[in-house]
Amino acid sequence: GAVVSQHPSRVICKSGTSVKIECRSLDFQATTMFWYRQFPKQSLMLMATSNEGSKATYEQGVEKDKFLINHASLTLSTLTVTSAHPEDSSFYICSASRSGRLSTDTQYFGPGTRLTVL
Amino acid sequence: AQTVTQSQPEMSVQEAETVTLSCTYDTSESDYYLFWYKQPPSRQMILVIRQEAYKQQNATENRFSVNFQKAAKSFSLKISDSQLGDAAMYFCAYRSRTSYGKLTFGQGTILTVHP
Repeated sequence: GAVVSQHPSRVICKSGTSVKIECRSLDFQATTMFWYRQFPKQSLMLMATSNEGSKATYEQGVEKDKFLINHASLTLSTLTVTSAHPEDSSFYICSASRSGRLSTDTQYFGPGTRLTVL
Repeated sequence: AQTVTQSQPEMSVQEAETVTLSCTYDTSESDYYLFWYKQPPSRQMILVIRQEAYKQQNATENRFSVNFQKAAKSFSLKISDSQLGDAAMYFCAYRSRTSYGKLTFGQGTILTVHP
C-alpha cells in the first residue's frame, strides 16, 4: 500500500509558541490531504481538507487562523498550530488520497503526531 | 449530514473465536463507500475492509468479512479465528461518492482478545 509519513512523531512546546507538523506522501501524488485530531480513546475528528494549490476547507468549529494548513505540493501538506495552548494538546493524524472530488481511491493515513503543550 | 454510529464501546473475544462489531449509518445518498479501519496501540490507522454501496456482495478479506444491509443502513464486521494481533480500536467509516474522499467516522469499538 501507499506510504504516508508525518514529522515529527512527538513534539513538546511551550504555551504561546507555534508548531509545524509535516505530512508527506512518499510514493504517490496526493491531490487531497486531510487533517484529523484525536483525543485518547475517542474517534478521529476531521479538522480540514486540503487540495494541492488551493486553500484548505475547514470543518465547522475549527479555527482557520489557529490551525494553518498549507498544501503547496502534491506530496507535502503542513499543519501549523499557532500560539499553542495546553488545550491544543492532542494526537494529530494526516491522511492522503490520490484522487480529487470524485475520489474512488483509498485514503492512506500517516502514523500521527503527538503534540503536548506545556 | 451523514452520521455513523458504533453502539459497542468495548467488545471482547477469546482467541480463535468469532466476534462481530456493529455499525449503523444515516445518509440520504445512494452511492457511497463504507470502511472498517483498525487502530492498534501504535495508533497507525490500518484499512481492514472496504465496501462499495452499489455492490450487493459482501466484501471479504481473509478472516474479515462484512454484513452490508443497505436498506437497514447497517455495516457490521465479522472477525473469524480471532488472533491476539486483532486487539485494537476499530472504526467504521462512511465516505460519500463526491466529497473529495472525506471520511465520517463512528465512535470506535475497543476489541480485546483473550488468550
